[in-house]
Amino acid sequence: QLQLQESGPRLVKPSETLSLTCTVSGGSISSSTYYWGWIRQPPGKGLEWIGSVFYSGTTYYNPSLKSRVTISVDTSKNQFSLKLSSVTAADTAVYYCARLAVVSVRWFDPWGQGTLVTVSS
Amino acid sequence: DVQMTQSPSSLSASVGDRVTITCRASQSISNYLNWYQQRPGKAPKLLIYATSSLQSGVPSRFSGSGSGTYFTLTINGLQPEDFATYFCQQTYTFGQGTKLDIK
Repeated sequence: QLQLQESGPRLVKPSETLSLTCTVSGGSISSSTYYWGWIRQPPGKGLEWIGSVFYSGTTYYNPSLKSRVTISVDTSKNQFSLKLSSVTAADTAVYYCARLAVVSVRWFDPWGQGTLVTVSS
Repeated sequence: DVQMTQSPSSLSASVGDRVTITCRASQSISNYLNWYQQRPGKAPKLLIYATSSLQSGVPSRFSGSGSGTYFTLTINGLQPEDFATYFCQQTYTFGQGTKLDIK
């Protein structure tokens, strides 16, 4: 059974870079039919897609975050990572990683449990 | 960009009720529509993909329909564990969510 687990600092200072890693277990990240994505959810609000990465390193980013986001993949560790620079309080959210099916319809399944990252000095 | 609008934003119902949640797309998206359930403090869970295909393990009381710009999620015979927030999703855009709580 495929499982994803987010890890990284829970508290980040304003203007610094948020860094998270998602570890995939129970399956290979090097699949030709899936991307791997990051989604976030500010407290009490809806879901926002941040970006996605293919095992080859190909990435797609939300245009609204593109200037600050870098997503990378490490197939040797079965992990992919998120970096979000110049964070502000508006970046406080639960950050989820998920597998993204890329057939004609694109869906996220499964999801990691999520990690709350707070931006505060 | 395609915008997804869910209605209602919140809904109260009783155990055993039949409820329907609507998701509208700002332009035609064929059948490229998925539904998720999110319980408090938990990650979203895929319920339905490609408008009407039930994800493995999801009870058959959940169903989805629609095409183009109008889609629905129906729950027949609400169970206590169904009181949660539901999101629709098209590619990289999510609806704002519908919170279903107990009347």
